[in-house]
Amino acid sequence: TQLLEQSPQFLSIQEGENLTVYCNSSSVFSSLQWYRQEPGEGPVLLVTVVTGGEVKKLKRLTFQFGDARKDSSLHITAAQPGDTGLYLCAGVLMDFNKFYFGSGTKLNVKP
Amino acid sequence: KAGVTQTPRYLIKTRGQQVTLSCSPISGHRSVSWYQQTPGQGLQFLFEYFSETQRNKGNFPGRFSGRQFSNSRSEMNVSTLELGDSALYLCASSTGTSLKDEQFFGPGTRLTVL
Repeated sequence: TQLLEQSPQFLSIQEGENLTVYCNSSSVFSSLQWYRQEPGEGPVLLVTVVTGGEVKKLKRLTFQFGDARKDSSLHITAAQPGDTGLYLCAGVLMDFNKFYFGSGTKLNVKP
Repeated sequence: KAGVTQTPRYLIKTRGQQVTLSCSPISGHRSVSWYQQTPGQGLQFLFEYFSETQRNKGNFPGRFSGRQFSNSRSEMNVSTLELGDSALYLCASSTGTSLKDEQFFGPGTRLTVL
């Protein structure tokens, strides 16, 4: 089992729909990041959240870090085909200073 | 500023062979991390090098090793290849001052073991 579990694993939606991806753990993280990876490329950082309860917005993307720093969510409003890709959460485990990636969510936005 | 480069991009080997993958980080970055990405296990951390020293290590067998040179370029070696080593191997560079620093990833090396 992964330290950071993402749900759903796969998501296929129509252009214009909204969606939320979740990243959950039973452990506390000192920071969490979200990356997007497109086929044939490495992941690219979207955002870093460091404070429990923190909310960050990046155009149509909204990221939230849970109050207890054990979970995070990524909400996309009015999804576009360009949002298609693998979304990965990643974080630094508190007290162990180790970095882990989540299991990933594969998003497909159909035109 | 040039991005992270990895060579080769594709590699086919047979069981029992060994392989060396190369990574050139972004200029000025002193930290290089290596990851293995497979459909079943996702992205798993192999190791991180900072200023030519291994600073962090994941839970991989000793067949997986690496090194970093004085110019921050890094190599990863896998000996006695197994079928399960087939994966995309990603290298990432960062300034290395903190684990939450942004990591810049290369395009990866796709290794197929037959």
